[in-house]
Amino acid sequence: DAGVIQSPRHEVTEMGQEVTLRCKPISGHNSLFWYRQTMMRGLELLIYFNNNVPIDDSGMPEDRFSAKMPNASFSTLKIQPSEPRDSAVYFCASSLWRGTYNEQFFGPGTRLTVL
Amino acid sequence: GDSVTQMEGPVTLSEEAFLTINCTYTATGYPSLFWYVQYPGEGLQLLLKATKADDKGSNKGFEATYRKETTSFHLEKGSVQVSDSAVYFCALNIQGAQKLVFGQGTRLTINP
Repeated sequence: DAGVIQSPRHEVTEMGQEVTLRCKPISGHNSLFWYRQTMMRGLELLIYFNNNVPIDDSGMPEDRFSAKMPNASFSTLKIQPSEPRDSAVYFCASSLWRGTYNEQFFGPGTRLTVL
Repeated sequence: GDSVTQMEGPVTLSEEAFLTINCTYTATGYPSLFWYVQYPGEGLQLLLKATKADDKGSNKGFEATYRKETTSFHLEKGSVQVSDSAVYFCALNIQGAQKLVFGQGTRLTINP
């Protein structure tokens, strides 16, 4: 079975440009999470969806960040405009939420560098 | 609020040494507990889990026991290998909630 798929794996862009990160969750999973990992802040939850609906976006740093999940097999995280402080590794994770505990499966991440 | 505290790293050991990485938690509800491992350049992978008190999770020679009385979930391995070098994250999930609460991670380096 394929795991969580993220693209691109690496992205280098210039300040002010729009960046779109993509995620395909594991088939059959109903929850999707976007995280950001930096040396300074560690692992931060940005937003998560349940059945394609955003449940908690309190971790989204500012209005420059937006996330969508148009269907059960695809999600995007967009940064517009990008800034150098957005440089980080962005992870997508998915899980099958049954109302008890939540075992999340992580993708390989997208390493974003904003120059 | 809910939180996880791990022993600070980095931790450096020689091959075949005994490993302990401490993890304690604070939770308002009844948590499930997890250890995730992140190898260089990769995403996090679930290493082991325990969903109720006194459960022992185990995988790849690693073990951790859910201790409700001490609110701990320490990770142990009897004989580490160079390939165990990675960052280890302790995490909790309150029953009925979807979020995972992660510790700050502990970087482990094993020297041959």
